Amino acid sequence: GENVEQHPSTLSVQEGDSAVIKCTYSDSASNYFPWYKQELGKGPQLIIDIRSNVGEKKDQRIAVTLNKTAKHFSLHITETQPEDSAVYFCAASYFQTGANNLFFGTGTRLTVIP
Amino acid sequence: DADVTQTPRNRITKTGKRIMLECSQTKGHDRMYWYRQDPGLGLRLIYYSFDVKDINKGEISDGYSVSRQAQAKFSLSLESAIPNQTALYFCATSDLGSTGELFFGEGSRLTVL
Repeated sequence: GENVEQHPSTLSVQEGDSAVIKCTYSDSASNYFPWYKQELGKGPQLIIDIRSNVGEKKDQRIAVTLNKTAKHFSLHITETQPEDSAVYFCAASYFQTGANNLFFGTGTRLTVIP
Repeated sequence: DADVTQTPRNRITKTGKRIMLECSQTKGHDRMYWYRQDPGLGLRLIYYSFDVKDINKGEISDGYSVSRQAQAKFSLSLESAIPNQTALYFCATSDLGSTGELFFGEGSRLTVL
């Protein structure tokens, strides 16, 4: 099955700085790569995703990049704010109609210091 | 009200007891999932169901069973709980043919003594 590795496990940044979280995956058939944010006491929530036919996707202060050859994908958060503090999970799957079996990374706890 | 509701939110039980975690959703989604979250291990899939008549094992189904009572209800059972089943459990839903987004409940924290 798919194996997703995520680094770092913890990350502290000053407010306004950028944060980068990196993931690698093992199954070259994987074609869907979402990122979830989990705030304290809540369930994970999708913040951005990317498919294998795209190299980069942006949504305001967050962006995701994908390198299919190297099987790497990364989350970039610019101009970090205290409300960005949370645990972030990357995930990978072979997405097709009828399949949503995501394999998650182990999570990154991001702390934004005011 | 939450779209995906899990009960109980917290439960402490003893080794050998039978436990049921329940999930109900108002999103009208066909697909439902149970995940387990452990520190340092991320989220791992226990079981998933694509409709009422469809139940599938995930990565870590041993020691668990599920029941899809209706489109909106999916329950997870531990027939004889053991301490290493102490974890945070999440129910999630997704829509058939959707973008793939999972919608999670707020979690059920289970402690097995």
